[in-house]
Amino acid sequence: ELKVEQNPLFLSMQEGKNYTIYCNYSTTSDRLYWYRQDPGKSLESLFVLLSNGAVKQEGRLMASLDTKARLSTLHITAAVHDLSATYFCAVVLDNNNDMRFGAGTRLTVKP
Amino acid sequence: KAGVTQTPRYLIKTRGQQVTLSCSPISGHRSVSWYQQTPGQGLQFLFEYFSETQRNKGNFPGRFSGRQFSNSRSEMNVSTLELGDSALYLCASSLTGRGYTFGSGTRLTVV
Repeated sequence: ELKVEQNPLFLSMQEGKNYTIYCNYSTTSDRLYWYRQDPGKSLESLFVLLSNGAVKQEGRLMASLDTKARLSTLHITAAVHDLSATYFCAVVLDNNNDMRFGAGTRLTVKP
Repeated sequence: KAGVTQTPRYLIKTRGQQVTLSCSPISGHRSVSWYQQTPGQGLQFLFEYFSETQRNKGNFPGRFSGRQFSNSRSEMNVSTLELGDSALYLCASSLTGRGYTFGSGTRLTVV
């Protein structure tokens, strides 16, 4: 069964600092997604990673995928308060559209 | 273009009742997936429909069912509601299965 593990689950950062969120998954997958969720809101798509070595960047966020290690990272550079949210990674099984989510990382950026 | 529309946004039901939630995908998207989000279990996959056919199903009891119409709109139904069914129900639409757009969700409270 596909399992997706994120760590840390809670992250409190100072503004201006860097940090990385990790997402490990247990079986092969050809698609990995990162989403952001603000309290009481829906999921906002951040990145779709489709191949080994894929790296995507948007503003202060950069996501990468290592399919051999079954690991994705979401790196935060020079955090700002607006990045405070819960971040989820999600993995889709090969030839399937059943998307499995990690537990989420609740990020708080403090001034 | 219009996003994914879920109705109603909020719903309060009594134990034992049934409920129907609706999801209208982005125009042209034929895949609709449903997810349940609770504080305890996180985001869990319910089922996915494509061209009126259920392609994948998560590990939920038979009280949870769904369908998709010829215009790709989808409904999910929960019968004999239990307190534990209280959750945010999210639907996501996809064109190719390589990117998902989520609706704002329906928050169901069972009392």
